[in-house]
Amino acid sequence: DGGITQSPKYLFRKEGQNVTLSCEQNLNHDAMYWYRQDPGQGLRLIYYSQIVNDFQKGDIAEGYSVSREKKESFPLTVTSAQKNPTAFYLCASKSAGGAAGEQYFGPGTRLTVT
Amino acid sequence: DQQVKQNSPSLSVQEGRISILNCDYTNSMFDYFLWYKKYPAEGPTFLISISSIKDKNEDGRFTVFLNKSAKHLSLHIVPSQPGDSAVYFCAASGLGQNFVFGPGTRLSVLP
Repeated sequence: DGGITQSPKYLFRKEGQNVTLSCEQNLNHDAMYWYRQDPGQGLRLIYYSQIVNDFQKGDIAEGYSVSREKKESFPLTVTSAQKNPTAFYLCASKSAGGAAGEQYFGPGTRLTVT
Repeated sequence: DQQVKQNSPSLSVQEGRISILNCDYTNSMFDYFLWYKKYPAEGPTFLISISSIKDKNEDGRFTVFLNKSAKHLSLHIVPSQPGDSAVYFCAASGLGQNFVFGPGTRLSVLP
Protein backbone atom coordinates (compact mmCIF):
# COMPACT_ATOMS: atom_id res chain seq x y z
CA ASP A 1 0.00 0.00 0.00
CA GLY A 2 1.33 3.42 -0.92
CA GLY A 3 1.30 6.02 1.77
CA ILE A 4 3.10 8.29 4.14
CA THR A 5 4.02 7.24 7.65
CA GLN A 6 5.11 9.13 10.71
CA SER A 7 6.49 7.69 13.87
CA PRO A 8 5.99 7.67 16.72
CA LYS A 9 2.39 8.78 17.14
CA TYR A 10 3.11 10.25 20.60
CA LEU A 11 6.45 11.51 21.81
CA PHE A 12 7.46 12.91 25.17
CA ARG A 13 10.70 14.75 25.84
CA LYS A 14 12.28 16.81 28.54
CA GLU A 15 12.99 20.44 27.88
CA GLY A 16 16.49 21.00 26.49
CA GLN A 17 16.63 17.76 24.53
CA ASN A 18 16.65 17.53 20.76
CA VAL A 19 14.15 15.12 19.25
CA THR A 20 13.81 13.77 15.71
CA LEU A 21 10.45 12.99 14.13
CA SER A 22 10.36 10.44 11.35
CA CYS A 23 8.52 10.80 8.03
CA GLU A 24 8.66 8.18 5.27
CA GLN A 25 6.71 7.95 2.02
CA ASN A 26 6.56 5.30 -0.68
CA LEU A 27 4.47 7.35 -3.11
CA ASN A 28 7.52 8.29 -5.19
CA HIS A 29 6.74 11.94 -4.48
CA ASP A 30 9.47 14.49 -5.02
CA ALA A 31 8.20 17.13 -2.62
CA MET A 32 7.86 16.72 1.13
CA TYR A 33 6.68 19.12 3.81
CA TRP A 34 6.60 19.55 7.56
CA TYR A 35 3.78 21.43 9.24
CA ARG A 36 2.94 22.25 12.78
CA GLN A 37 -0.61 22.49 14.08
CA ASP A 38 -1.55 24.32 17.26
CA PRO A 39 -5.08 24.58 18.68
CA GLY A 40 -7.20 27.12 16.81
CA GLN A 41 -4.59 27.65 14.13
CA GLY A 42 -4.13 26.38 10.64
CA LEU A 43 -1.21 24.29 9.56
CA ARG A 44 1.99 26.32 9.55
CA LEU A 45 4.84 25.35 7.26
CA ILE A 46 8.14 24.59 8.96
CA TYR A 47 10.35 23.25 6.18
CA TYR A 48 9.85 21.81 2.72
CA SER A 49 11.92 19.96 0.19
CA GLN A 50 11.23 19.82 -3.54
CA ILE A 51 14.02 17.39 -4.33
CA VAL A 52 16.59 15.18 -2.65
CA ASN A 53 19.47 17.01 -0.97
CA ASP A 54 17.63 20.32 -1.11
CA PHE A 55 15.25 21.97 1.34
CA GLN A 56 13.94 25.42 2.17
CA LYS A 57 12.69 27.15 5.28
CA GLY A 58 8.98 27.65 5.65
CA ASP A 59 7.22 30.28 7.73
CA ILE A 60 8.33 29.04 11.17
CA ALA A 61 11.69 27.30 10.67
CA GLU A 62 13.44 28.69 13.73
CA GLY A 63 14.40 25.96 16.18
CA TYR A 64 13.96 23.18 13.64
CA SER A 65 16.25 21.36 11.23
CA VAL A 66 15.67 18.82 8.46
CA SER A 67 17.56 16.61 6.06
CA ARG A 68 16.61 15.03 2.74
CA GLU A 69 19.21 12.41 1.96
CA LYS A 70 16.71 10.03 0.39
CA LYS A 71 13.60 10.68 -1.66
CA GLU A 72 11.52 8.58 0.71
CA SER A 73 12.58 10.21 3.97
CA PHE A 74 12.35 13.71 5.43
CA PRO A 75 13.11 13.67 9.17
CA LEU A 76 12.49 16.75 11.29
CA THR A 77 14.61 17.58 14.33
CA VAL A 78 13.07 19.78 16.98
CA THR A 79 15.99 21.39 18.72
CA SER A 80 16.26 22.83 22.19
CA ALA A 81 16.21 26.27 20.56
CA GLN A 82 12.53 25.87 19.66
CA LYS A 83 10.72 27.87 22.34
CA ASN A 84 7.32 26.18 22.16
CA PRO A 85 7.89 22.70 20.79
CA THR A 86 4.76 21.06 22.16
CA ALA A 87 2.46 20.66 19.15
CA PHE A 88 1.01 18.25 16.61
CA TYR A 89 3.45 17.76 13.73
CA LEU A 90 2.29 16.73 10.29
CA CYS A 91 4.38 15.55 7.38
CA ALA A 92 3.06 15.69 3.82
CA SER A 93 4.23 14.79 0.35
CA LYS A 94 3.25 15.81 -3.15
CA SER A 95 4.31 14.84 -6.60
CA ALA A 96 6.23 17.66 -8.25
CA GLY A 97 4.82 19.71 -11.06
CA GLY A 98 3.24 22.98 -10.08
CA ALA A 99 0.67 23.99 -7.54
CA ALA A 100 -2.06 21.70 -8.78
CA GLY A 101 -2.57 18.47 -6.95
CA GLU A 102 -3.15 17.76 -3.35
CA GLN A 103 -0.68 16.98 -0.63
CA TYR A 104 -0.92 13.63 1.10
CA PHE A 105 -0.55 13.80 4.85
CA GLY A 106 0.80 11.35 7.36
CA PRO A 107 -1.07 10.55 10.58
CA GLY A 108 0.95 13.07 12.60
CA THR A 109 3.13 12.99 15.70
CA ARG A 110 2.03 14.68 18.89
CA LEU A 111 5.11 15.97 20.69
CA THR A 112 4.92 16.97 24.32
CA VAL A 113 7.90 18.67 25.93
CA THR A 114 7.90 19.19 29.69
CA ASP B 1 -1.66 38.45 8.94
CA GLN B 2 -3.84 35.52 7.91
CA GLN B 3 -4.05 35.13 4.18
CA VAL B 4 -6.67 32.39 4.48
CA LYS B 5 -9.47 32.83 6.97
CA GLN B 6 -12.20 30.57 8.21
CA ASN B 7 -14.18 32.83 10.46
CA SER B 8 -16.43 30.19 11.96
CA PRO B 9 -14.45 28.06 14.43
CA SER B 10 -17.36 25.65 14.72
CA LEU B 11 -20.64 24.71 13.07
CA SER B 12 -23.42 22.35 14.12
CA VAL B 13 -25.86 20.89 11.63
CA GLN B 14 -28.66 18.35 11.85
CA GLU B 15 -28.14 15.07 10.02
CA GLY B 16 -29.62 15.19 6.53
CA ARG B 17 -29.37 18.97 6.27
CA ILE B 18 -26.84 21.01 4.31
CA SER B 19 -23.53 22.03 5.85
CA ILE B 20 -21.90 25.18 4.47
CA LEU B 21 -18.33 25.92 5.42
CA ASN B 22 -16.84 29.23 4.39
CA CYS B 23 -13.34 30.38 3.58
CA ASP B 24 -12.03 33.83 2.64
CA TYR B 25 -8.64 34.74 1.27
CA THR B 26 -6.76 37.98 0.78
CA ASN B 27 -4.08 37.15 -1.77
CA SER B 28 -5.38 37.75 -5.29
CA MET B 29 -2.54 35.61 -6.67
CA PHE B 30 -4.10 32.46 -5.22
CA ASP B 31 -5.50 30.38 -8.04
CA TYR B 32 -5.88 26.88 -6.63
CA PHE B 33 -7.88 25.86 -3.59
CA LEU B 34 -8.30 22.68 -1.62
CA TRP B 35 -10.49 21.44 1.18
CA TYR B 36 -9.19 18.93 3.68
CA LYS B 37 -11.02 16.99 6.36
CA LYS B 38 -9.30 16.07 9.61
CA TYR B 39 -10.30 13.72 12.38
CA PRO B 40 -8.70 14.07 15.84
CA ALA B 41 -5.15 12.72 16.11
CA GLU B 42 -5.03 11.97 12.37
CA GLY B 43 -3.54 13.72 9.38
CA PRO B 44 -5.82 15.71 7.07
CA THR B 45 -7.27 13.91 4.08
CA PHE B 46 -7.95 15.60 0.79
CA LEU B 47 -11.60 16.23 0.01
CA ILE B 48 -12.04 18.37 -3.07
CA SER B 49 -10.22 21.03 -5.07
CA ILE B 50 -11.05 23.90 -7.40
CA SER B 51 -8.93 26.03 -9.67
CA SER B 52 -9.65 29.64 -10.42
CA ILE B 53 -10.81 28.89 -13.96
CA LYS B 54 -13.93 27.31 -12.47
CA ASP B 55 -16.55 28.57 -10.07
CA LYS B 56 -17.91 25.21 -9.01
CA ASN B 57 -16.66 21.67 -8.57
CA GLU B 58 -18.78 18.78 -7.42
CA ASP B 59 -17.89 15.34 -6.08
CA GLY B 60 -20.75 13.32 -4.69
CA ARG B 61 -22.15 15.02 -1.61
CA PHE B 62 -19.41 17.67 -1.67
CA THR B 63 -19.50 20.83 -3.77
CA VAL B 64 -17.04 23.70 -3.65
CA PHE B 65 -18.00 27.14 -4.92
CA LEU B 66 -15.49 29.84 -5.76
CA ASN B 67 -16.29 33.55 -5.99
CA LYS B 68 -13.07 35.14 -7.20
CA SER B 69 -14.31 38.72 -7.08
CA ALA B 70 -15.23 38.28 -3.42
CA LYS B 71 -12.16 36.13 -2.70
CA HIS B 72 -14.48 33.63 -1.10
CA LEU B 73 -15.02 29.93 -1.36
CA SER B 74 -17.44 27.62 0.33
CA LEU B 75 -17.84 23.90 0.80
CA HIS B 76 -21.35 22.47 0.73
CA ILE B 77 -22.05 19.03 2.12
CA VAL B 78 -25.48 17.66 1.38
CA PRO B 79 -26.92 15.65 2.92
CA SER B 80 -24.76 15.89 6.03
CA GLN B 81 -23.97 12.66 7.85
CA PRO B 82 -22.63 12.04 11.37
CA GLY B 83 -19.39 10.69 9.84
CA ASP B 84 -18.81 14.14 8.36
CA SER B 85 -18.11 15.47 11.85
CA ALA B 86 -14.51 16.64 11.66
CA VAL B 87 -12.39 19.75 11.29
CA TYR B 88 -12.36 21.15 7.76
CA PHE B 89 -9.42 23.19 6.48
CA CYS B 90 -9.33 25.20 3.32
CA ALA B 91 -5.97 25.79 1.67
CA ALA B 92 -4.90 28.11 -1.13
CA SER B 93 -1.87 28.49 -3.33
CA GLY B 94 -0.64 30.48 -6.28
CA LEU B 95 1.78 29.56 -9.05
CA GLY B 96 5.01 28.33 -7.53
CA GLN B 97 3.76 28.98 -4.00
CA ASN B 98 3.28 26.62 -1.10
CA PHE B 99 -0.19 26.07 0.25
CA VAL B 100 -1.50 28.40 2.94
CA PHE B 101 -4.00 26.81 5.30
CA GLY B 102 -6.89 28.37 7.14
CA PRO B 103 -7.42 27.74 10.87
CA GLY B 104 -10.17 25.21 10.30
CA THR B 105 -13.86 24.89 11.12
CA ARG B 106 -15.09 22.12 13.38
CA LEU B 107 -18.27 20.60 11.95
CA SER B 108 -20.57 18.61 14.19
CA VAL B 109 -23.38 16.72 12.49
CA LEU B 110 -26.04 15.85 15.02
CA PRO B 111 -28.09 12.66 14.60
